[in-house]
Amino acid sequence: DAGVIQSPRHEVTEMGQEVTLRCKPISGHNSLFWYRQTMMRGLELLIYFNNNVPIDDSGMPEDRFSAKMPNASFSTLKIQPSEPRDSAVYFCASSLGRTSGDYEQYFGPGTRLTVT
Amino acid sequence: LAKTTQPISMDSYEGQEVNITCSHNNIATNDYITWYQQFPSQGPRFIIQGYKTKVTNEVASLFIPADRKSSTLSLPRVSLSDTAVYYCLVGEGNQGGKLIFGQGTELSVKP
Repeated sequence: DAGVIQSPRHEVTEMGQEVTLRCKPISGHNSLFWYRQTMMRGLELLIYFNNNVPIDDSGMPEDRFSAKMPNASFSTLKIQPSEPRDSAVYFCASSLGRTSGDYEQYFGPGTRLTVT
Repeated sequence: LAKTTQPISMDSYEGQEVNITCSHNNIATNDYITWYQQFPSQGPRFIIQGYKTKVTNEVASLFIPADRKSSTLSLPRVSLSDTAVYYCLVGEGNQGGKLIFGQGTELSVKP
């Protein structure tokens, strides 16, 4: 298996522009997670899905952020409009999503976002 | 979710055994203890998970005392390639796998 695939790997954009990050989870995994990592705040969970349904979006910073999972093999994280403080590495992870005690998540390589 | 406390950094030398202890005084009955490793410019990688007593795999061992208020990740005979950040996490079994990462322990292995 190719593992979790994220695209693009690097994104540089100007403030105010829309940014879309993409993720393909491991086939057969039922849960998908979006994280953001910065030096100041560490690794933060933004949102996670189970069976394509958003379960917890309490980590989404504000309305400028939205995430979708239209099917089991694809998810997007969109920022509109982007701001310099959104600059970070965004990770997507997936797991089998069993109901109990399943914390083995597989992380993608991340997307390094720079907003100027 | 239970909060964890672990050392910010540790130093070691190649070939030594490294033990990283994590405190989780408020751990609940349903909580599992999980450790992740993160190399620079990579996503975290699952190392080991346990509920009580001792768990061992090909990478590490996890020791959990009876009261479960702490846990110790043991890395046998570390090498330079074990230099990374190690995260201790505690999460409820019915949270659907939700993880809250803390600051982690930055392990530096020297020759």
